[in-house]
Formats: sequence, C-alpha cells, structure tokens
Amino acid sequence: ILNVEQSPQSLHVQEGDSTNFTCSFPSSNFYALHWYRWETAKSPEALFVMTLNGDEKKKGRISATLNTKEGYSYLYIKGSQPEDSATYLCAFFRSNDYKLSFGAGTTVTVRA
Amino acid sequence: GAGVSQSPSNKVTEKGKDVELRCDPISGHTALYWYRQSLGQGLEFLIYFQGNSAPDKSGLPSDRFSAERTGGSVSTLTIQRTQQEDSAVYLCASSLGGQGGTANYGYTFGSGTRLTVV
Repeated sequence: ILNVEQSPQSLHVQEGDSTNFTCSFPSSNFYALHWYRWETAKSPEALFVMTLNGDEKKKGRISATLNTKEGYSYLYIKGSQPEDSATYLCAFFRSNDYKLSFGAGTTVTVRA
Repeated sequence: GAGVSQSPSNKVTEKGKDVELRCDPISGHTALYWYRQSLGQGLEFLIYFQGNSAPDKSGLPSDRFSAERTGGSVSTLTIQRTQQEDSAVYLCASSLGGQGGTANYGYTFGSGTRLTVV
C-alpha cells in the first residue's frame, strides 16, 4: 500500500447498532496514525493519536486499534447514536516526513 | 487565539477572478498547513509552513496558487484566475510543529472556506 485507504467509503447504521471500519496505510516508515471526526459544518476534530503497534485507544463509545506491522487500524463505534454521524478520517505520519497524509474518509450515517 | 480561524467561511466567485483565503492559527503553533477537499475526494495537501523555514509548496496544483505566512502567524492562500475545478473546501490547520509535535499531538483545524467558482 502506497497511500492511506479507508473502507468502506460510506455506511448506514441503525441507532443502537455497533459498527467498525478500516484504515490501511504503508507499513514502512511508520511514525503515527491519527483518527479525526469531521461533522458537517464543523472542523475536523482529533479523536486518537496512535504510535505503538497493538495500541488501543478509547473515547466514550468509540475505540481504535492499531497494527503497524500489517498496516491497518480499525475504528469501532459501539451503540451508534445520531450524533456519531460524521466523516471519519484517518491520517498517516511517516518517520521521514512532517505532514499527515489523509485517507478519503468513511462517512457514517446513523439512522434513528 | 483559542482555535484556528479561517475567513471567509464561504466564497462564491466568478471564473477568472482572484481570491484570497485567510488563516489565523493557534498562538504558539509554529507549523501551519493548507489542505483542500474537492467533492468526493480526500484531503489534499497544498502547502506547509514551519517557523521561518522556506515553505513546502509541493502540493500546490498550479502556479495560480500561492501562499504566504506573515510574521510566523497569519497565512493567506491566494488563487489567481480561478477555475471551476478550484471549487473545494479549503482547510487550514496548525500544530506544535516539528516532527514530534505534529505526529504526537496532531492538527487543530479551522472550519474551512467553501469556495465555489461559477
């Protein structure tokens, strides 16, 4: 993988259901993996910054895992609520770089 | 300031006109970035400023695009002779800077400028 890829591009979830989606990134020159949440008409907001293989982070009902050796991260939303509707961006920071490379995002729509 | 401020929030311009987008980063953040998101696309890197160093302009799509950062603070992105393909949301972000600052603490984004070229 040369770039950051996110899948699926979009998904619809029933309120109360749990869901997860994937970010794939180059496994070489890894430094950090970021997750951002971008709600409509707002700024992207940092959710997690992950640097260690096997790292797990949690914020409320949202959690993320990281596998740097195989180059993927999962983001999980437990018991989805309408306020979780947003585009979730992951971004990769290389050890020989100084800027984040973003995926195209996964847009989550939670139906009441 | 408390956050990253961008202006205007929306801009509609006629094809061929010049536009200026402004970004006021968080005080003390030495790194400033411009990205844009076109419809259906991911965030595309445009330009990066770090302190007094020469900016990395490698992401600017054409010579119609330019940016400056005055006094290590406010930045202006200028698009000359706008084209319809320039229509996008232009996001500014700042960070503590340096590889460790950005990697470990991430970006703080502004709310963006939605540019529409008609």
